[in-house]
Amino acid sequence: DIQMTQSPSSLSASVGDRVTITCQASQDISNYLNWYQQKPGKAPKLLIYDASNLETGVPSRFSGSGSGTDFTFTISSLQPEDIATYYCQQYDNLPITFGGGTKVEIK
Amino acid sequence: EVQLVESGGGLVQPGGSLRLSCAASGFTFSSYAMSWVRQAPGKGLEWVSAISGSGGSTYYADSVKGRFTISRDNSKNTLYLQMNSLRAEDTAVYYCAKSHDDLQLVDAFDIWGQGTMVTVSS
Repeated sequence: DIQMTQSPSSLSASVGDRVTITCQASQDISNYLNWYQQKPGKAPKLLIYDASNLETGVPSRFSGSGSGTDFTFTISSLQPEDIATYYCQQYDNLPITFGGGTKVEIK
Repeated sequence: EVQLVESGGGLVQPGGSLRLSCAASGFTFSSYAMSWVRQAPGKGLEWVSAISGSGGSTYYADSVKGRFTISRDNSKNTLYLQMNSLRAEDTAVYYCAKSHDDLQLVDAFDIWGQGTMVTVSS
């Protein structure tokens, strides 16, 4: 199985800060990497697909980059409504696997 | 509106069975692969199973293989997960999720249901 290592596991930042989360795959997954946002008690929401494509309706402050084994998710200017846990997910090989999550809080 | 609504969760004893349903609306259900993803209390996301749009291909995580069966009824726009020989470690919120691309078995999950809680306990 492909292991997805996400870091950090949690972070605290101020409104307006640039926030960066990384996800490392245990093997080359090309660009088969997606990012989700999950708020407490809610289902995950797709933000970025295929490493860098912004899902329709998602604010442009969210972005993704990377290929191969190393990927980055960025919030360019953190907003109060961005408080959530973020997950990466690979679909290069079954089983689909998710990163452990990054909990983002406001400082 | 594109929507997925799960049902069928509840409390079941170890070794018991449960069938989850996921009713889809707002899109051509038969054109898209579907998956089940679960989340144990306070934990991360775990993919459970996927099924092709036609229902002809199915895939499972090793943790549920041989115990869970995914199926779909395209005439009813409904996805199912039959869960047998349930264990305490199967306790989780179960989400159904739609594949982003109608040409792919698995890719991004662009639509999720609200989730249904399954608790396995005596």
